[in-house]
Amino acid sequence: QAVVTQEPSLTVSPGGTVTLTCGSSTGPVTSGHFPYWFQQQKPGQAPRTLIYDTNKTHSWTPARFSGSLLGGTAALTLSGARPEDEADYYCLLSYFGTPVFGGGTKLTVL
Amino acid sequence: QVQLVESGGDLVKPGGSLRLSCAASGFTISDYYMTWVRQAPGKGLEWVAYISKSGTTIFYADSVRGRFTISRDNAKDLVYLQMNSLRVDDAAVYFCARGPATAIYLWGRGTLVTVSS
Repeated sequence: QAVVTQEPSLTVSPGGTVTLTCGSSTGPVTSGHFPYWFQQQKPGQAPRTLIYDTNKTHSWTPARFSGSLLGGTAALTLSGARPEDEADYYCLLSYFGTPVFGGGTKLTVL
Repeated sequence: QVQLVESGGDLVKPGGSLRLSCAASGFTISDYYMTWVRQAPGKGLEWVAYISKSGTTIFYADSVRGRFTISRDNAKDLVYLQMNSLRVDDAAVYFCARGPATAIYLWGRGTLVTVSS
C-alpha cells in the first residue's frame, strides 16, 4: 500500500506564510490523486475539509488557505497565519479509488 | 442544519461487539456515499469503510475487513458500523462522514470506542 508523507510539525509566525506538503511513496502526486486537505483543531475533534481536488475550496474555507501541486507533492499554503490556525492538518490521496491519509502535520502558530 | 451525529461508542472487552450509528440531518443520505473514519488515541486518521448510495457497493480497510460491516437505512437517514471481534487496537474515536472515503465533504463529531479488559 502507498505511504503518504507529511511534515510531522511546522511552526509559523502570526501573519506569516507556511506551506505544508503531502508526498507519495509511489511517485509524484498529481491531480489524479485528487488531493484533499483537512484541518483538525484538536485530536478527537471533528475534522473539517479545507481543500478538495488539489485546489478547490468550500464556502467555509478561509481565503488564506490555498491548495496546489508543488515539486511532486500536494501543497497547502497558509498566508497570513492566525492563532486559530494552530491545528493538525491531514492530507488524503486517492489511489484508483483507495484512500490513504497522510500522518498529519501539527502546525504551531508562534 | 446539515450535520452528522454519531452514537453507540462504549467500553467493550476484547472479542466483543458494538454497533455504531450515524444520524444525518439537514440532508438526505440517499444522495451520498457515506464513510466511517477512525482516530486512535494520539494517532492520525484512518479510513475504515465506505458505502455507496444504494448500499450495493462497499469498501473496507484491510485492518477491519471480515470483522466490521457498514450498512445504511436511507429511509431513516442512518448509517451503521457493526464491529465484531474487537481488538485493543480498534480503540478510537469513530467519525461518520459524508462522501466516499476518497472525497469527504462533511464530518461528524465522533463517538469514542474503548476496547479493554
